[in-house]
Amino acid sequence: QVQLVESGGGVVQPGRSLRLSCAASGFTFSSYGIHWVRQAPGKGLEWVAVIWYDGSNKYYADSVKGRFTISRDTSKNTLYLQMNSLRAEDTAIYYCASGGTGGPLDNWGQGTLVTVSS
Amino acid sequence: QSVLTQPPSASGTPGQRVPLSCSGSSSNIGSNTVNWYQQLPGTAPKLLIYNNNQRPSGVPDRFSGSKSGTSASLAISGLQSEDEADYYCAAWDDSLNGYVFGTGTKVTVL
Repeated sequence: QVQLVESGGGVVQPGRSLRLSCAASGFTFSSYGIHWVRQAPGKGLEWVAVIWYDGSNKYYADSVKGRFTISRDTSKNTLYLQMNSLRAEDTAIYYCASGGTGGPLDNWGQGTLVTVSS
Repeated sequence: QSVLTQPPSASGTPGQRVPLSCSGSSSNIGSNTVNWYQQLPGTAPKLLIYNNNQRPSGVPDRFSGSKSGTSASLAISGLQSEDEADYYCAAWDDSLNGYVFGTGTKVTVL
């Protein structure tokens, strides 16, 4: 069955970098767009970024534009989120989810927690 | 600040019908399809309704969605205890060039 597994979360100091990974299985990874969505503790869902099925287009939320980079490695069926210049407000559970640019996001991972704190 | 507005809470007794609303604008709901997600406590979100009113396989038919103009609605008919969760609407926004989520509604079963 379809499975998305995030990893790479942890505690990081403000201003530092972190790279998240999302390993996909059970579907043709190269045929689907993939999104990152985050959820701060006790808060709602916030969309972060999307990459097209072929990597040709990427879109970002204004809150992360210029700091985060989404990418994918089809040979490894893996999605990445490079997060630079991290801020306290980036503290959240980060989910990857498969879906077209405009949704729907039909399969979700279990999430990985990123805590930005000194 | 989310561009899709939902009431923060809703409630009902078992068996009741509970309507949830989602208000947007011409750049999101007004020009793109709406999806709804259910998030049970401590779990990842799950797709509940797509393309305004379509249910993925396995979603009970007591969940129904609709869209009119720049607003969308989700209705839960025959409310059950396992429906206690947070519900989010979402749509692509042509002005922001991004996918936007609603503020979320917490449904409580009394």
